[in-house]
Amino acid sequence: QQPVQSPQAVILREGEDAVINCSSSKALYSVHWYRQKHGEAPVFLMILLKGGEQKGHEKISASFNEKKQQSSLYLTASQLSYSGTYFCGTVNTNAGKSTFGDGTTLTVKP
Amino acid sequence: NAGVTQTPKFQVLKTGQSMTLQCAQDMNHNSMYWYRQDPGMGLRLIYYSASEGTTDKGEVPNGYNVSRLNKREFSLRLESAAPSQTSVYFCASTPTSRVESPLHFGNGTRLTVT
Repeated sequence: QQPVQSPQAVILREGEDAVINCSSSKALYSVHWYRQKHGEAPVFLMILLKGGEQKGHEKISASFNEKKQQSSLYLTASQLSYSGTYFCGTVNTNAGKSTFGDGTTLTVKP
Repeated sequence: NAGVTQTPKFQVLKTGQSMTLQCAQDMNHNSMYWYRQDPGMGLRLIYYSASEGTTDKGEVPNGYNVSRLNKREFSLRLESAAPSQTSVYFCASTPTSRVESPLHFGNGTRLTVT
């Protein structure tokens, strides 16, 4: 079952914050986050395993709420380089493979 | 360090033609994957290989076949291309098949079927 990402697109000014959500209709074992710039391959950002942990990567962090079956990606003080499409990949069992959402396109303007 | 290398980068096929997309990784990873990405959409798993000698279907395997030639190489074959297979194809690898392994992607093959 494909996860649902929201919003589909967001436009920010440099320095503003954004939150991207990823929801699943099934119980989650882990959530992966990737960023893809136009015309390029997706690049890994972070993985969260069930347990509700929060992880950080520079000014980008993420949370994982097992009960709500969702994960959120937080981008603080956004930079121009944060522009791109963000994908979450959800895994439902410890032997499963990632199923990806349709992405959230983030545009950061000067 | 090249990572995951895909060839060709671009390809145009006529309906009914066949072709093989090549993928090689030099990171000594055990698991390899083929995804397709349609415009404005996420990645859909076509086939994967958890380890050398094994292959399994993903979400959208119809119309494709794969070969795990050795630990480094994993090819994707379209036997009779259809316009619905126009897409960008990404190969990826992970150190193991465990769920916490991050995917390392190649730069993609952009395929157009007319």
